[in-house]
Amino acid sequence: DTEVTQTPKHLVMGMTNKKSLKCEQHMGHRAMYWYKQKAKKPPELMFVYSYEKLSINESVPSRFSPECPNSSLLNLHLHALQPEDSALYLCASSQGRDGSQPQHFGDGTRLSIL
Amino acid sequence: QKEVEQDPGPLSVPEGAIVSLNCTYSNSAFQYFMWYRQYSRKGPELLMYTYSSGNKEDGRFTAQVDKSSKYISLFIRDSQPSDSATYLCAMTHTGANSKLTFGKGITLSVRP
Repeated sequence: DTEVTQTPKHLVMGMTNKKSLKCEQHMGHRAMYWYKQKAKKPPELMFVYSYEKLSINESVPSRFSPECPNSSLLNLHLHALQPEDSALYLCASSQGRDGSQPQHFGDGTRLSIL
Repeated sequence: QKEVEQDPGPLSVPEGAIVSLNCTYSNSAFQYFMWYRQYSRKGPELLMYTYSSGNKEDGRFTAQVDKSSKYISLFIRDSQPSDSATYLCAMTHTGANSKLTFGKGITLSVRP
């Protein structure tokens, strides 16, 4: 079991639905990340939060909306997604944002858009 | 030239073989080097983490970094079927906006 917990494990939604992905870590890490991973590809960075503030948005479409309610939680709100958004969405955390501490990943939410 | 190049494989070896996985990179600012293992339908699991040049050993795994050649390797001794997974190299530099740069990943299959 990983120390980064993501829910749900699987999600199927229509293009008009609104849903949220959740991520939780209790390692005291102050940086949290959202990645998108397509089959047979490496993870692609979407958002970075440092000390609960958004520090990087990799030009992600506005239909993805991140939120960091506190230092242990990270949400990704989804609205009006497209079929090409079907992927594995991974959350990660690290002690700091300066690159000197490794990122630890959760097992992801497998998202399918109908 | 991509920042990180990793042989895409796939790679198939018999049980007990020594496996060598390699990545090359072009950005001399990279200082932290990682290997992640990803099983099917799971997230990447941190396997090895090294700083700068040198070797690091953990059980059957050895990570090697040669910054002068911009080359990193992961060696797996006495490979087991449970080692069958995708292996991703990743690296980053220090700084407030540092991001992980991944290789494409290589799928390893260890045959019983």
